[in-house]
Amino acid sequence: QQQVKQSPQSLIVQKGGIPIINCAYENTAFDYFPWYQQFPGKGPALLIAIRPDVSEKKEGRFTISFNKSAKQFSLHIMDSQPGDSATYFCAASEGYSTLTFGKGTMLLVSP
Amino acid sequence: ETGVTQSPTHLIKTRGQQVTLRCSSQSGHNTVSWYQQALGQGPQFIFQYYREEENGRGNFPPRFSGLQFPNYSSELNVNALELDDSALYLCASSLDGAGTDTQYFGPGTRLTVL
Repeated sequence: QQQVKQSPQSLIVQKGGIPIINCAYENTAFDYFPWYQQFPGKGPALLIAIRPDVSEKKEGRFTISFNKSAKQFSLHIMDSQPGDSATYFCAASEGYSTLTFGKGTMLLVSP
Repeated sequence: ETGVTQSPTHLIKTRGQQVTLRCSSQSGHNTVSWYQQALGQGPQFIFQYYREEENGRGNFPPRFSGLQFPNYSSELNVNALELDDSALYLCASSLDGAGTDTQYFGPGTRLTVL
C-alpha cells in the first residue's frame, strides 16, 4: 500500500523554469511533510519541510504548497539551475513515527 | 561536527550469505533509522533504534536485524540473503525520535546480491 503518491516520475525543464512536483497522501494523521533531494551516489538531504497548519512555506528558491483538504502538497523550484538536477522525494510522517517516502522524481534542468 | 558515515561503500555477496552494514550517527544524535532503497524507488523504512532499543519496525522479515551501541552507532544485519535484497541501504540519524526531528542521511551502502 503506497501511502504517498508522487508525480511526475521524471521532469525536464530549461534553466530558469519552475519545475513543480506533486505528492498526495492518504493517512490524515500525517502531520509532517518534508522534501528530500538526492544526488547520484549520495544519501537524501533535507530541503524543506512543512506542517499542516500552514499552506505555504518558502526557503530560498524552494516553496512547498500544502492543501490539507485535498491531502496534497507540492514542491516548486524557482529559477531552476542545472545544479538542481537530482532526484526529489516527498515524504510524510505521523507524530514521532518514521518517514514514508514517495517514489521520487528525477529532475533534469537543461542549460 | 561530523556527519553520518556508513561502511562499507559497496558490497557484493551471494545468495544465502549474511551481511553486516555499519553506521556512525551524527555527533549528539541518539536515534538511528535504517532504510532500504531499491533502484528507482524511494527509501523504505526497515527499523529504528533509540538509545540502544528497537523503536519501530517496518514491513521487513526477521532476517533483517540490528543493533545500536552505547555510542549510538548501529549495525544492520541481513541473514540468508536473497536477490531482492540488492539495494542501497541508508542510515539516518536524528535526535530523540524520528519524523518530526530532522533526519540526516548517510551516503549509503550499495549491496549487490548475486
